[in-house]
Amino acid sequence: SQKIEQNSEALNIQEGKTATLTCNYTNYSPAYLQWYRQDPGRGPVFLLLIRENEKEKRKERLKVTFDTTLKQSLFHITASQPADSATYLCALFTGTASKLTFGTGTRLQVTL
Amino acid sequence: KAGVTQTPRYLIKTRGQQVTLSCSPISGHRSVSWYQQTPGQGLQFLFEYFSETQRNKGNFPGRFSGRQFSNSRSEMNVSTLELGDSALYLCASSFGQYEKLFFGSGTQLSVL
Repeated sequence: SQKIEQNSEALNIQEGKTATLTCNYTNYSPAYLQWYRQDPGRGPVFLLLIRENEKEKRKERLKVTFDTTLKQSLFHITASQPADSATYLCALFTGTASKLTFGTGTRLQVTL
Repeated sequence: KAGVTQTPRYLIKTRGQQVTLSCSPISGHRSVSWYQQTPGQGLQFLFEYFSETQRNKGNFPGRFSGRQFSNSRSEMNVSTLELGDSALYLCASSFGQYEKLFFGSGTQLSVL
């Protein structure tokens, strides 16, 4: 069956460190993958999109990698700040299903 | 540019009732998608509309329905509410199909 797995346990890191979040998938052939940030009581906010033929994408302190062989995407936040504390969701789009499917998200907590 | 607007923000209903949720997309966006979010299941895709046509549908019972108007505004309806329908209902708009999604803040539905 198709699965998108993100670590359900919260990730706690210290301010200034790099946070790395993982998104693994099985039985998908995604055309592209997206990462979103969600704060409590709010809708998700788009962060980055990476296509199947791209290995890496960067935006300011954010970096996403996409390994279609390992079926995995890594999401990095460098020099993390308490304001980065939120839940981060990965989402896959496949042309065959023609819809965006979300993982359950990983909560990141950045402490001083 | 105004963001995606969802109304109402909070709703309390009892079992057996029906409910209609409204979504106004970003101006110029023709695609509107609806998601149900619960703590256990994460974001589950309900349906997607583009130019008043339903292009895709998730695995939800027929009690869940939607429509899109000529001005791209969308509504979703849930009939014969069940306790398990309690969730955050999120609407998202995009310019094209499954480009980055812009989400509203959602409607928090509680079924008693």
